[in-house]
Amino acid sequence: DSGVTQTPKHLITATGQRVTLRCSPRSGDLSVYWYQQSLDQGLQFLIQYYNGEERAKGNILERFSAQQFPDLHSELNLSSLELGDSALYFCASSVGTSGSWETQYFGPGTRLLVL
Amino acid sequence: EDQVTQSPEALRLQEGESSSLNCSYTVSGLRGLFWYRQDPGKGPEFLFTLYSAGEEKEKERLKATLTKKESFLHITAPKPEDSATYLCAVQALGAGGTSYGKLTFGQGTILTVHP
Repeated sequence: DSGVTQTPKHLITATGQRVTLRCSPRSGDLSVYWYQQSLDQGLQFLIQYYNGEERAKGNILERFSAQQFPDLHSELNLSSLELGDSALYFCASSVGTSGSWETQYFGPGTRLLVL
Repeated sequence: EDQVTQSPEALRLQEGESSSLNCSYTVSGLRGLFWYRQDPGKGPEFLFTLYSAGEEKEKERLKATLTKKESFLHITAPKPEDSATYLCAVQALGAGGTSYGKLTFGQGTILTVHP
């Protein structure tokens, strides 16, 4: 158990819908990262937040957005869902002054299926 | 653009048969190279971080090494419980020397150890 929690574990929804994925980092960690894992693309970095502020951005679609709240939990919002958005979404956290040199600990993931 | 290539894609071993997994990387400036283990449907589990060429780290039957262009994960006398996907990731220096938290992952090596 990494100490990172994610809810829900599974999510089934329809195309065009909007969903919210939630992540609670390890106690004391200030940085939160979101990754998407699909069979053809592997693990892809989406976005990083540090202490409530966006720190780095990957190939995150405009239909996706994220935020980190004052209690340090984070939410990833996916809207106008398409079939290709079906994937495992992982949250990771690190102690995070800058995100560098720090181990990222991953949560159990949310499996999203868009029908 | 940062790139990570892992080989082989899949590796089947007999229990006790030692072998190595390869991770080749291209990055403008390496901050750290990370090895993770991932079981099916689970989040990646941290194994090692390597920062500079020549560095080695060990944990039980696993030993990770780093050169300027690649990293190896050596598995000595593997057991069936070592079966998993092993992921390699790099963290690079950002522009102007600023470090970002983004990890760039390889596609992974699926290791199967038969009793």
